[in-house]
Amino acid sequence: NAGVTQTPKFQVLKTGQSMTLQCAQDMNHEYMSWYRQDPGMGLRLIHYSVGAGITDQGEVPNGYNVSRSTTEDFPLRLLSAAPSQTSVYFCASSSNSGGAFEETQYFGPGTRLLVL
Amino acid sequence: KQEVTQIPAALSVPEGENLVLNCSFTDSAIYNLQWFRQDPGKGLTSLLLIQSSQREQTSGRLNASLDKSSGRSTLYIAASQPGDSATYLCAVRAGSARQLTFGSGTQLTVLP
Repeated sequence: NAGVTQTPKFQVLKTGQSMTLQCAQDMNHEYMSWYRQDPGMGLRLIHYSVGAGITDQGEVPNGYNVSRSTTEDFPLRLLSAAPSQTSVYFCASSSNSGGAFEETQYFGPGTRLLVL
Repeated sequence: KQEVTQIPAALSVPEGENLVLNCSFTDSAIYNLQWFRQDPGKGLTSLLLIQSSQREQTSGRLNASLDKSSGRSTLYIAASQPGDSATYLCAVRAGSARQLTFGSGTQLTVLP
């Protein structure tokens, strides 16, 4: 079990460029989400998905798009990168089956993004 | 809007000491609360999850308590070790959706 994987680990973009952050999980989890972590601000939810074909916005969705065509993958797209999107991005997944154990959210190692 | 606060932002203790990390939240209508550990440059690892109906959870040297009515949770670490050095984050889930609201974390340093 690889758990939750994210690529790339680090990326430098210029303002206005676009890119896709990849996230994949091999635990057959229905729920997946994207967070960004900024110094002193904790993690903030960007987008989430409760299953293939279903996505919704979180607290800070502007400037980001997501899609969920398979259970395993949940890519995050930056349409036109801005310096304010410099951050560390984490993908997480959990089961929807219920129960305390299944509730636990599993996080990927993160993608560090620098927008110049 | 739910807000989660963790105080202090940083804590340094000598090895072997018992310590308590604090987490408070503004809306007591939570589904559960999770404590996570984050090592520098790494992702988050779930330590303990407390359902809203529970008062505490234990795992090894860790004990987490929850007082929903007062909007507080504590993470107790017994006999701290240098390997416990990390940032500890608490997060609450409100309602049927699985979104978490995070605190900004307490950075713990355990000195040998």
